[in-house]
Amino acid sequence: EVQLVESGGGLVQPGGSLRLSCAASGFTFSSYSMNWVRQAPGKGLEWVSYISSSSSTIYYADSVKGRFTISRDNAKNSLYLQMNNLRAEDTAVYYCARVLLRTPGDYWGQGTLVTVSS
Amino acid sequence: QSALTQPASVSGSPGQSITISCTGTSSDVGGYNSVSWYQQHPGKAPKLMIYDVNKRPSGVSNRFSGSKSGNTASLTISGLQAEDEADYYCCSYAGSSLNWVFGGGTKLTVL
Repeated sequence: EVQLVESGGGLVQPGGSLRLSCAASGFTFSSYSMNWVRQAPGKGLEWVSYISSSSSTIYYADSVKGRFTISRDNAKNSLYLQMNNLRAEDTAVYYCARVLLRTPGDYWGQGTLVTVSS
Repeated sequence: QSALTQPASVSGSPGQSITISCTGTSSDVGGYNSVSWYQQHPGKAPKLMIYDVNKRPSGVSNRFSGSKSGNTASLTISGLQAEDEADYYCCSYAGSSLNWVFGGGTKLTVL
């Protein structure tokens, strides 16, 4: 059974940093590209960042470019999102998702809430 | 990149069929056969219902179907059931570096 479990969310002040993790199991993690997708409270879904299976290709949404860094450790079956210089508008539930061809996610984690507030 | 346009809400009675539209541009919906649809119940993660315009993942009911014409994609749910009540999001691939754009979501109410 495919499982994705996010962790690392919490309350952080504007300008602060946070590192999210996503632990994958039930599939060959190193064979799949992965995404981070977020959802602000009461709002819709927003794609955040993409990383290919070998980490050779990485993309970011314009809204987070230069502030967020996606990475992965295939030996640990883990995906990460380092978030720096956080803003109030980054407040959201962050989901990791397994990419299926040109579909952003066929399996999703349960999400981790990031709240940016003073 | 602007979000795809979906109606804010739709409703239907049990047993009826409903269709949710998703309008984009030639740079996303119209340019790729890579439209997906997600169902999201309150407090839950999104669930993939349709991918590549009209393909259903294993385990998804055949009451759910997808189509596309030009820059508009559609999700049809036939034989509405109470458990179909949820938010539905469309998504389209938008090319490398832009990657993916989502719709604003549609709240389906089963009367």
